[in-house]
Amino acid sequence: DVKVTQSSRYLVKRTGEKVFLECVQDMDHENMFWYRQDPGLGLRLIYFSYDVKMKEKGDIPEGYSVSREKKERFSLILESASTNQTSMYLCASSLFRPGDTEAFFGQGTRLTVV
Amino acid sequence: GENVEQHPSTLSVQEGDSAVIKCTYSDSASNYFPWYKQELGKRPQLIIDIRSNVGEKKDQRIAVTLNKTAKHFSLHITETQPEDSAVYFCAASPEGLGTGRRALTFGSGTRLQVQP
Repeated sequence: DVKVTQSSRYLVKRTGEKVFLECVQDMDHENMFWYRQDPGLGLRLIYFSYDVKMKEKGDIPEGYSVSREKKERFSLILESASTNQTSMYLCASSLFRPGDTEAFFGQGTRLTVV
Repeated sequence: GENVEQHPSTLSVQEGDSAVIKCTYSDSASNYFPWYKQELGKRPQLIIDIRSNVGEKKDQRIAVTLNKTAKHFSLHITETQPEDSAVYFCAASPEGLGTGRRALTFGSGTRLQVQP
């Protein structure tokens, strides 16, 4: 069973703080993703990575950065948290093998910035 | 980049009726179209997917159809049950090296409510 685990289920941070969201997967997947989920907007891609130390911007990268030092771990960093970054953050991972590219999601981190 | 539009945003049906959710996409390089179900408080999970070499795929009460010419695909749920109540997301992406961004682009979601 694929397991994608996010370090926190709920987080409350103050405006201006540096915030780290951690994600670990145990299935040796090449691809890892960070999405943000907001009502009525679906899941929007922030960043993704297809290899260690590789990263690509998604659709809404502003205010975020990422780190992938090991294949199994993908971190999302909010350099200076703002109230408009209050949201549900979902990490996902997948293989990149045609015919076998199902994305598996973590349980989500609900971040509140006050 | 890819843009996926999903309709309707909410859908309420009576138990036993059918439900249809429609999505359109913009990037002709996309050839993988999964559907995810997210129950309240839970993570999204894949329920069915289709690739552009087929037009329809069924799995018990759910089916997905794809019209690559028109760039749209749909989810059909027959004989709906209360446990089908959830938010459903469509998505699109390319598969295969060198075919574009290897990440799913999601629609905005449909909240399905099945009334007992």
